[in-house]
Amino acid sequence: AQSVTQPDIHITVSEGASLELRCNYSYGATPYLFWYVQSPGQGLQLLLKYFSGDTLVQGIKGFEAEFKRSQSSFNLRKPSVHWSDAAEYFCAVGEGQAGTALIFGKGTTLSVSS
Amino acid sequence: GAGVSQSPRYKVAKRGQDVALRCDPISGHVSLFWYQQALGQGPEFLTYFQNEAQLDKSGLPSDRFFAERPEGSVSTLKIQRTQQEDSAVYLCASSVPGDGYTFGSGTRLTVV
Repeated sequence: AQSVTQPDIHITVSEGASLELRCNYSYGATPYLFWYVQSPGQGLQLLLKYFSGDTLVQGIKGFEAEFKRSQSSFNLRKPSVHWSDAAEYFCAVGEGQAGTALIFGKGTTLSVSS
Repeated sequence: GAGVSQSPRYKVAKRGQDVALRCDPISGHVSLFWYQQALGQGPEFLTYFQNEAQLDKSGLPSDRFFAERPEGSVSTLKIQRTQQEDSAVYLCASSVPGDGYTFGSGTRLTVV
């Protein structure tokens, strides 16, 4: 069955420190992978997506993610976290083509300490 | 429009009441999705439209849930005889092939 696992429910990092949020997926076809961020009371904002090509993907707000097929992973990274990055982060997988629903992980809550 | 618009932002319904949630997708986006997000969980798929055709409704939790998109643009998710377990945020997303999915801000439904 298709699934997305985000092993870390809650992570706290110090402002200015580096961040890595983990995402593992189980998907039969070639996966299309996404990271979304959700602030309290808000919808989902797309940070970055991977469809094909370079496995290191750059996104908005200084985020990047690396697709590793051998590990079935798509971890999100940021070299220096800002207090405004505190939010809920969701990894999602789909077929990428219009008409296929995304499957989401349960999310990781990021807290930033000063 | 510039983004996906959902209304109302918040809805409080008494148990047993019918509710209707509206989604106005990005102009020209053929695909439209509805998701349900329970507190502390990731969004879960409810249903999918391609233009006015509802091609997948496998995620609708019961026959009390009904969605339509009669002219291929605005969509309405209707929940009949609401129950407490229907309390959640309902998210709408639209997309085009080869691009990401753009989500609205959602409607937070609370059934009391």
